[in-house]
Amino acid sequence: QTVVTQEPSLTVSPGGTVTLTCASSTGAVTSGFYPSWFQQKPGQAPRSLIYSASNKHSWTPARFSGSLLGGKAALTLSGVQPEDEAEYYCLLYYNGAPSYVFGTGTKVTVL
Amino acid sequence: EVQLVESGGAVVQPGGSLRLSCAASGFTFDDYTMHWVRQAPGKGLQWVSLISWDGSITYYADSIKGRFTISRDNSKNSLYLQINSLRTEDTAFYYCAKGTGGLITSPFDYWGQGTLVTVSS
Repeated sequence: QTVVTQEPSLTVSPGGTVTLTCASSTGAVTSGFYPSWFQQKPGQAPRSLIYSASNKHSWTPARFSGSLLGGKAALTLSGVQPEDEAEYYCLLYYNGAPSYVFGTGTKVTVL
Repeated sequence: EVQLVESGGAVVQPGGSLRLSCAASGFTFDDYTMHWVRQAPGKGLQWVSLISWDGSITYYADSIKGRFTISRDNSKNSLYLQINSLRTEDTAFYYCAKGTGGLITSPFDYWGQGTLVTVSS
């Protein structure tokens, strides 16, 4: 059973910077896992933010950036806004399975 | 404007069956891989299944293999999920999501608003 682990919760001040990570139980996350990131606010459908580790959709605010960091996928929010308070999920593709697995989710609180 | 509208969610008894639909518009449906994702109330997202642009390739999460069947009708711009032998743990919002291309690894871009399946006696 493959598990993708994220920090359960993080708190950041308005205007601050926070980095979320996404780790695979199978080992280092690489570009071959096609890491993606999604934002979900209460009562809403998820919204796609980042794909292929670091690429943004046309609607993704510039303050969101993705990377590969120390064997994990990472999502950095810079200049955090109150409206960034949400749950964030990563998604990894497993070629051998083949299948996709979502991360456990990180609740970001802006305080 | 891309739109994905799910339907078919209902309250169903354990052991029952249900077919969910996702009506797509605003894009050339048969060019894109499509996915189903579910979310139990108050829980995280779970990827369920994908289908290639032409329906020739389907993948499923291990936990639902054998009970769920994904399909599509490109002439109707529609995606489907047949769920059999429903269990209480299948209670969830079911979302359809679109890939950015026709590859299995094409990233997700647009999501529907979801349809709620409740399995209860």
